[in-house]
Formats: sequence, structure tokens, C-alpha cells
Amino acid sequence: SQQGEEDPQALSIQEGENATMNCSYKTSINNLQWYRQNSGRGLVHLILIRSNEREKHSGRLRVTLDTSKKSSSLLITASRAADTASYFCATDATGANSKLTFGKGITLSVRP
Amino acid sequence: DVKVTQSSRYLVKRTGEKVFLECVQDMDHENMFWYRQDPGLGLRLIYFSYDVKMKEKGDIPEGYSVSREKKERFSLILESASTNQTSMYLCASNAQGVQYEQYFGPGTRLTVT
Repeated sequence: SQQGEEDPQALSIQEGENATMNCSYKTSINNLQWYRQNSGRGLVHLILIRSNEREKHSGRLRVTLDTSKKSSSLLITASRAADTASYFCATDATGANSKLTFGKGITLSVRP
Repeated sequence: DVKVTQSSRYLVKRTGEKVFLECVQDMDHENMFWYRQDPGLGLRLIYFSYDVKMKEKGDIPEGYSVSREKKERFSLILESASTNQTSMYLCASNAQGVQYEQYFGPGTRLTVT
């Protein structure tokens, strides 16, 4: 069953602009994670935010979590062409024994 | 660095063949996972294993089985491949307990003709 739903499905921006991607989920979670996937490759973990955290930063990435709205956002600042990829949110639901449920992903295109 | 490897990047098999997809991780992780990824559907969990010889069904286990005889190796088996099993297969692993990210292999693109 799909828990995380990303929005928008696709995003195209100019290099240097910020990219904001959103994720909504349905049940209580231990944490929410964001992953990136370059075309035809495996997923790479970007950042994990725990249910008791509201905001987290890692380099040009900023993640927020609002458990009351069951939503998260991923902000990539000063985007680069190399950020072009698909981005997935994944939730580690309470009691799920480390299993993650992934959304369908957002395709980000950064134009040089 | 954690490394998860998969036996093939690309595989072409015929309908009805038995197919083995192998995954090996080198970080002594307890948990291992098999997903399939299809356009518009995202990643869906097929099976996972939290210990040697232990397995649990994921969301779409039908038509698949798994084997975990050693901690570092997790195999996905398609007993009789069908065209609707054409997909990208991704293996992942992580340490036991909550709050740990998963590490993914590069994926195997399987085509069943």
C-alpha cells in the first residue's frame, strides 16, 4: 500500500532556483526519509527526519515535517543541473519493523 | 562505505524460466529487502528478511520467493517468469531497529519475453 504521496509529480526549474517538493502520508510514523534516484540507478538516501523533529538541514537540503498535517517538504536550494533526478519520500510507519513505504516519486529537471 | 551489489544490471529471460536475482551486502546488516519499481507505481516491497532464514511477505509477494541462507546474501526467485514480471528490481539493506536508512543496490532491469 502506498503511504507517501509526493507533489508535484514533475518539476522543471532553472539552475540556481530553489526546488520544493512535498510529501503527504496517512498513518503515524517513526521517521520520514527522502531518497534520490538518478536515471536507471538505485536509490540514494538523502536525509532522515524523526517524528519528533520539525526541521533538518544537510548542505543545500532542508526538510520539514509537520506530523499534525502528516506532511513533509524537501527544499533544494541553489539547484544545479546535477540535481536532475527522481526524488522519493519514504515513511517508516510505527510498528512497521523497519519497512519503508515509498511514494511514486517526483521527477526534477534542472535546466542549465 | 556500505556496498550493496546485485548480480546483473540487465537480464533477459523467457516466459516460464526460473530466474534468480542475487543481492549481496557487505555491512553485516540484519535486514534485507527486495522491491520492484514500475513507471507510475513507485517502489513496491516484494519480500524482506530480518535475519538468516527468516522472511516476511511484502505488498506484492505473488509469483516470487526468496532465500536467505547467509546474512550477507538475499536471493529473489521467480519460479516461472511471466511477462508481467518485467520490471526494475532493487535490493536494499539496513541495520536492525528503527530510524535507519536503507542502502540500495544499482538495480537489475529484468525483461521477460
